[in-house]
Amino acid sequence: GENVEQHPSTLSVQEGDSAVIKCTYSDSASNYFPWYKQELGKRPQLIIDIRSNVGEKKDQRIAVTLNKTAKHFSLHITETQPEDSAVYFCAASRGNSGAGSYQLTFGKGTKLSVIP
Amino acid sequence: GAGVSQSPSNKVTEKGKDVELRCDPISGHTALYWYRQSLGQGLEFLIYFQGNSAPDKSGLPSDRFSAERTGGSVSTLTIQRTQQEDSAVYLCASSPMDRVREQYFGPGTRLTVT
Repeated sequence: GENVEQHPSTLSVQEGDSAVIKCTYSDSASNYFPWYKQELGKRPQLIIDIRSNVGEKKDQRIAVTLNKTAKHFSLHITETQPEDSAVYFCAASRGNSGAGSYQLTFGKGTKLSVIP
Repeated sequence: GAGVSQSPSNKVTEKGKDVELRCDPISGHTALYWYRQSLGQGLEFLIYFQGNSAPDKSGLPSDRFSAERTGGSVSTLTIQRTQQEDSAVYLCASSPMDRVREQYFGPGTRLTVT
């Protein structure tokens, strides 16, 4: 089955600096890669996703890059703000039709702290 | 609109007891997932429902775990004879038919087995 590794497990940055979180996956058939943000005691929230037919996607201060050959993808947050502090999870799925194909395999998370 | 809701928000039970956790997906969402999040860990897939298709139970850790989805909407996750290692946050997620990959999570049920 799929295995997703996520690094680093913790990350501290100064407000205004950039943060980068990296994930690798094992299943070459995976083709959908979402990122979730989970604030303390709250539900995971989908913040951005990318499909395997593109290499990069941006949404304001957040961007995700995908390297299918190397089987890794990264989350980039620019101009970080204190409200970006949270645990971020990457995930992967095969996304094909059929029972169970859309299940997500998650990384173990990165705790991001943005220092004012 | 209303998001995914789960109940109870917290459940404390004694080892050996059975528990039922409930999930109300977003109205109209056809896919429903259950995940488990243990302390300091990522989310672990448990079970997946899609419309009237047979559920994918491949993530259930033991036969003590089961789930139902009635009428294509509300789902109940049942854990029989609970063990201390079952302590975790159980999260439910749902997806719309036209964006079936996008999973929207509920707030979770924190289960503590004493």
